[in-house]
Amino acid sequence: EPEVTQTPSHQVTQMGQEVILRCVPISNHLYFYWYRQILGQKVEFLVSFYNNEISEKSEIFDDQFSVERPDGSNFTLKIRSTKLEDSAMYFCASRVLGGTKNYGYTFGSGTRLTVV
Amino acid sequence: RKEVEQDPGPFNVPEGATVAFNCTYSNSASQSFFWYRQDCRKEPKLLMSVYSSGNEDGRFTAQLNRASQYISLLIRDSKLSDSATYLCVVSMDSSYKLIFGSGTRLLVRP
Repeated sequence: EPEVTQTPSHQVTQMGQEVILRCVPISNHLYFYWYRQILGQKVEFLVSFYNNEISEKSEIFDDQFSVERPDGSNFTLKIRSTKLEDSAMYFCASRVLGGTKNYGYTFGSGTRLTVV
Repeated sequence: RKEVEQDPGPFNVPEGATVAFNCTYSNSASQSFFWYRQDCRKEPKLLMSVYSSGNEDGRFTAQLNRASQYISLLIRDSKLSDSATYLCVVSMDSSYKLIFGSGTRLLVRP
């Protein structure tokens, strides 16, 4: 079964450093997402991306965050200057055009980001 | 008011028990509804979509009441492997972003 692959599985970074989280969506999927989950809290939408541009973003997704699809296969989330409160599990997801069952969403296994 | 509200639990039940989870949502324009399952520190995985007419998948039955903005999940004959957090999720078809509840934790004991 096709998978969404995320790397690294765990990233530890110092406060103020830039971090890039990487995702390889399923090859025929056209919509890409980042969600995050702070430990003990709910999963929250960050951003959606389609046709090489952001289609929607949440209030969390401020100027410190950016997304990119640099080479047609990877989908990255960059946090420019990390804060302690950015520590969370970050899930990438991709979706096929016109998906029916749960919109055709597939989630990656996540990157656990720890800011120290 | 939270967009999606769930009883956090935990629900601690013996194997073989029937357990029900409830969820309410605040946006009456929500169009699609799902139950996801999440194991500790893992990604959410779709358990089932929820349809207005109610739907069943093996031991799992989901119901939707649009008038009350209420969603339920019933698990019959609980197994140890059902122990997880169950996430109520809503969405609008115009957006496709998923709005998650905080989840209800289920512990099934031998």
